[in-house]
Amino acid sequence: KAGVTQTPRYLIKTRGQQVTLSCSPISGHRSVSWYQQTPGQGLQFLFEYFSETQRNKGNFPGRFSGRQFSNSRSEMNVSTLELGDSALYLCASSLGGYQPQHFGDGTRLSIL
Amino acid sequence: GESVGLHLPTLSVQEGDNSIINCAYSNSASDYFIWYKQESGKGPQFIIDIRSNMDKRQGQRVTVLLNKTVKHLSLQIAATQPGDSAVYFCAAQPNSGNTPLVFGKGTRLSVIA
Repeated sequence: KAGVTQTPRYLIKTRGQQVTLSCSPISGHRSVSWYQQTPGQGLQFLFEYFSETQRNKGNFPGRFSGRQFSNSRSEMNVSTLELGDSALYLCASSLGGYQPQHFGDGTRLSIL
Repeated sequence: GESVGLHLPTLSVQEGDNSIINCAYSNSASDYFIWYKQESGKGPQFIIDIRSNMDKRQGQRVTVLLNKTVKHLSLQIAATQPGDSAVYFCAAQPNSGNTPLVFGKGTRLSVIA
């Protein structure tokens, strides 16, 4: 069974640009969550989508947005990039409820 | 809300010894807990989970213990191997599993051959 796939693996952008990251969940998983991982803050929750609806949202500015498609694939978008947005962005999918989230290997975003 | 903390940021053990990684959570409404292992350059990998109606759960070479009285969670790895070297995270989820996971900061386990 294929795992969670995130593309691209690496991205380099400059301040002020925008970026879109993609996540393909495990087949059959309808819940997709996004996290930002940095050395200082650890894993911080961005948002979760379930059946194309945002179900939960973390404490991030409106520059961070996401969406989920009918096939459960998800994208997240960051606009007006700042240096502090440099991080590993992780996507996780699950069946929901008391089922574990399974993570992809992330997209490493570097802002110059 | 929930906050999750780990007692030690780093842990070194001899190959073959048992490892114990600890975690504390704050929200008594948390009822689902997960341990993850993250190796360099990879995303967190699911190890084992436990619901609050259990005190102990065992997997292959791993055991998770849950003490709801003191809000404490531990991961025990038996016969630690070099391949176990990684960062380990615990995560807590309150209120029936449809709320976000809250992660601790992680413990880096180093196995000495």
